[in-house]
Amino acid sequence: VQLVESGGGLVQPGKSLKLSCSASGFTFSSYGMHWIRQAPGKGLDWVAYISSSSGTVYADAVKGRFTISRDNAKNTLYLQLNSLKSEDTAIYYCARRGGRGVMDAWGQGASVTVSS
Amino acid sequence: EIVLTQSPTTMAASPGEKVTLTCLASSSVNYMYWYQQKSSASPKLLIYYTSSLASGVPDRFSGSGSGTSYSLTISSMEAEDAAIYYCLQLTSTPPTFGSGTKLEIK
Repeated sequence: VQLVESGGGLVQPGKSLKLSCSASGFTFSSYGMHWIRQAPGKGLDWVAYISSSSGTVYADAVKGRFTISRDNAKNTLYLQLNSLKSEDTAIYYCARRGGRGVMDAWGQGASVTVSS
Repeated sequence: EIVLTQSPTTMAASPGEKVTLTCLASSSVNYMYWYQQKSSASPKLLIYYTSSLASGVPDRFSGSGSGTSYSLTISSMEAEDAAIYYCLQLTSTPPTFGSGTKLEIK
């Protein structure tokens, strides 16, 4: 199982960014997927979830600004980040929802910095 | 939202020492999950369903608890166990993590 995030970077407040998570080593279409973030020096903060059938759930802090999606043909998970705020600065991890319902595999993370 | 409170915030243990980390939930949860995060690495699953060891995790790690009180125990501290440990609840949405316990080696 391998998850590789990309698309992070430095972006100005109010702007947008799209993160990708490329999956391999498992049948991507059969698994739900999460995005979880970690602000510098802080703990883990759940962001969003998409089921294998593309149902979605969001944290209140990002609802209406972030969109999680997936392309099963490309084995790729996405997170569209709009109207970015300084408090969105974090490492963003994608994680697989395993058979036991828990995040059992994580990517290495993509760094997002929101600053003018 | 269920709030998870971990204690202690930071602690140090000597090699061979028994370590117990605690996670208290603001409401009853069905199970607790535990992760280990070293340096700048991504979190690693240690315990699922409160007390089941994830694949490849040394058996010096164990989990227990029920309702609102859960714990992670390391039976004999090793240098490689120095890390930050997080608890996680999945009983209710949104999933929530504890703020972490930083465990250092003496």
